[in-house]
Amino acid sequence: QIQLVQSGAEVKRPGSSVSVSCKASGGTFSKTVITWVRQAPGQGLEWMGGIVPIFGTPNYAQNFQGRITITTDESTNTAYMELSSLRSDDTAVYYCTMVRGVITPNFFEHWGQGTLVTVSS
Amino acid sequence: EIVLTQSPATLSVSPGERVTLSCMASQTVDSFLAWYQQKPGQAPRLLIYDTSKRATGIPARFSGRGSGTDFTLTISSLEPEDFAVYYCQQYTNWPLTFGGGTNVEI
Repeated sequence: QIQLVQSGAEVKRPGSSVSVSCKASGGTFSKTVITWVRQAPGQGLEWMGGIVPIFGTPNYAQNFQGRITITTDESTNTAYMELSSLRSDDTAVYYCTMVRGVITPNFFEHWGQGTLVTVSS
Repeated sequence: EIVLTQSPATLSVSPGERVTLSCMASQTVDSFLAWYQQKPGQAPRLLIYDTSKRATGIPARFSGRGSGTDFTLTISSLEPEDFAVYYCQQYTNWPLTFGGGTNVEI
């Protein structure tokens, strides 16, 4: 059974950066697609970007280009999402997701528990 | 960008009722459409992918159908644990997009 465990909640100042980690267990990490999705308070779901670990080249949503970096460490089955130049409207729950197979575009088969990032001065 | 419009925004129903949720795409997504269920304070859960395939462990009362631009998710007989928000998502084109959600409430 695949499980995704994310790092804990963060409180950040505007203009700073945040890094959220996502550790996978119970499956082959490399032959998957890792994607990050966020959800602002009371709002819907927003795709941020994704990566196929065995290929290594991430694909980012236009809204986050220049501010987001998604990486993976296959040795530890961990994915990372870094978002910079934080603004108050980046306050959201950030989810990592995984789907088995390396076909993209993709749906989101397994989800982490979510990480609340609060941006406040 | 493909826009997904879900209707209705809110659906008030009773346990045991049959429920049909709609998702309409601004352009064709072929059969590359998924449905998710989200309960308060929880991560979304994949219900349906490729329009009509149930994800692992999803009860048979959930079914999906459609093609092109018009899709539906049907819950044949609503259980108390099915009260939640439901989202559709397309994965035929970048960027991946979600519908705005349908809140199924008592």
